Amino acid sequence: ILNVEQSPQSLHVQEGDSTNFTCSFPSSNFYALHWYRWETAKSPEALFVMTLNGDEKKKGRISATLNTKEGYSYLYIKGSQPEDSATYLCASHGAAGNKLTFGGGTRVLVKP
Amino acid sequence: DTGVSQNPRHKITKRGQNVTFRCDPISEHNRLYWYRQTLGQGPEFLTYFQNEAQLEKSRLLSDRFSAERPKGSFSTLEIQRTEQGDSAMYLCASRLGTTDTQYFGPGTRLTVL
Repeated sequence: ILNVEQSPQSLHVQEGDSTNFTCSFPSSNFYALHWYRWETAKSPEALFVMTLNGDEKKKGRISATLNTKEGYSYLYIKGSQPEDSATYLCASHGAAGNKLTFGGGTRVLVKP
Repeated sequence: DTGVSQNPRHKITKRGQNVTFRCDPISEHNRLYWYRQTLGQGPEFLTYFQNEAQLEKSRLLSDRFSAERPKGSFSTLEIQRTEQGDSAMYLCASRLGTTDTQYFGPGTRLTVL
């Protein structure tokens, strides 16, 4: 994998259902994986920064896991609510670099 | 509110005009980044400052683009002779050198007619 990729590009979730989506990233020269939530007309909000293989982080109903050996991360939303509707971005950066390389995002729409 | 502000939030300009955007980072953050996001894509890195020094520039940053961070505080991004392909959301982010998290502003949406 040369680039950061996210799938799916978009998904519709019924309120109350749980969902998850994927971020794939280059496993070589990996330093950290970031997840952001970006609501329309707002600043992207930092959710998690993960560095260690097997890392799991949780913030309320949202959690994320990290596999650095195979180069993927999952983001889970439990019991989706309309306020979870947003674009979720993942980004990686290498040890020597400062810049974030972003995936294209997963747009989540939670239907009441 | 992340504490990073950007102005203006929206800018509409005609092709060939110059535009300048401003970013005010979180005050103690010594590192500042500019990214650009076009429709359907994730943000792409443009340039990075550590204090007032511009340490890295992307190939995306053509000669028409210039960024400054005088005195290591706010930053400006100027685009000269704008083209329709410059239409995008321009995002600024800042971070403290001792942490990994970059805090983003709300962006400036540029439309070039």
